[in-house]
Amino acid sequence: DAKTTQPTSMDCAEGRAANLPCNHSTISGNEYVYWYRQIHSQGPQYIIHGLKNNETNEMASLIITEDRKSSTLILPHATLRDTAVYYCIVRKYTTSGTYKYIFGTGTRLKVLA
Amino acid sequence: GAGVSQSPRYKVTKRGQDVALRCDPISGHVSLYWYRQALGQGPEFLTYFNYEAQQDKSGLPNDRFSAERPEGSISTLTIQRTEQRDSAMYRCASSLAIGSNQPQHFGDGTRLSIL
Repeated sequence: DAKTTQPTSMDCAEGRAANLPCNHSTISGNEYVYWYRQIHSQGPQYIIHGLKNNETNEMASLIITEDRKSSTLILPHATLRDTAVYYCIVRKYTTSGTYKYIFGTGTRLKVLA
Repeated sequence: GAGVSQSPRYKVTKRGQDVALRCDPISGHVSLYWYRQALGQGPEFLTYFNYEAQQDKSGLPNDRFSAERPEGSISTLTIQRTEQRDSAMYRCASSLAIGSNQPQHFGDGTRLSIL
């Protein structure tokens, strides 16, 4: 299974960009990278996903390296409400026809006032 | 529109009892997933449904765990003869279609405590 490696925790000043790295060195060619975040005990909230190209939406940007072995989630102007655990996930296609999310332990981002 | 709805939010029961956890996915979502999440960990895959067909149950820990989705909408995860180690947050997610890269949308979970 493709696994992801993320820093355990990070701090970011409010209003600054938060750059969250993720390593997924064993990713296969057809496996997407998804980012979710989880605030307290709420359900994981979808942020963004990509395969090869960089992606941007209203929440964040996703930068994927050319060899696809790592990616960075960018929150351009972090606010206190962005304090959460951020999960980088590789979506794995299985032989049974399932698309599985394989979660790691995530990065606990703390945005400081 | 409404998101993924799970009930009950909290369930406390004695060891040895059976429990049933319910998931109501987003309307029109074909794919439904069950996960289990321990404190401080990311969700762990349990089982997956495509419409009413259970296509992957490789993550179910043992035969005390079962799930069904008889009409391709609401799903029930059942744990028989509960044990203390079953205590966790159980989460359900749904997505639009299996073949697309549409993201999964998660519910707020059922927190199960076995005494």
